[in-house]
Amino acid sequence: DAKTTQPTSMDCAEGRAANLPCNHSTISGNEYVYWYRQIHSQGPQYIIHGLKNNETNEMASLIITEDRKSSTLILPHATLRDTAVYYCIVRPRSGSARQLTFGSGTQLTVLP
Amino acid sequence: NAGVTQTPKFQVLKTGQSMTLQCAQDMNHEYMSWYRQDPGMGLRLIHYSVGAGITDQGEVPNGYNVSRSTTEDFPLRLLSAAPSQTSVYFCASRPGGQQNEKLFFGSGTQLSVL
Repeated sequence: DAKTTQPTSMDCAEGRAANLPCNHSTISGNEYVYWYRQIHSQGPQYIIHGLKNNETNEMASLIITEDRKSSTLILPHATLRDTAVYYCIVRPRSGSARQLTFGSGTQLTVLP
Repeated sequence: NAGVTQTPKFQVLKTGQSMTLQCAQDMNHEYMSWYRQDPGMGLRLIHYSVGAGITDQGEVPNGYNVSRSTTEDFPLRLLSAAPSQTSVYFCASRPGGQQNEKLFFGSGTQLSVL
């Protein structure tokens, strides 16, 4: 699986957009980008995923660069409850390597 | 639906003891998996199952056994607990098939081995 690189930590003001970057420069054509988050002491929660087009759902937007070597998760109006560790994961569409591999993620702290 | 239910929430063991962490899901998901998370670390895959009767090893399987006799249940057995197995354990499930990508996680079991 392609490896991902994320900043260790980020801060964001409440009500502002939180933009979390992820580098996946070795991503291959059949690999998806997934985002999960983990609020303290809870199980991870799925946020969004995409292949090459930008995606949006009720939680967030995912912007993938045209060369697919990096992506950005956008939380449009961050709240205190969005404070969590955010994981960017690259995973092939099929095969035994489809199991998700979680790295260390980005600790996002939303400040009042 | 209750989703993914893990029991117990907390457990303390002595070195050498055995125990089973329970995981059950009521969403009729084919795929289930176990992860462990050490302090300040990401999750590591222990074992997974793509359906009843089928299991496979993940990244860190040593010291753990699993079985999948029903679709609903996926217990994780520690055969002889060691302090290195002190961790938080998460169970997860999702529907089968290539297009079903969203994992649902349980709330975790905090295990301490003394």
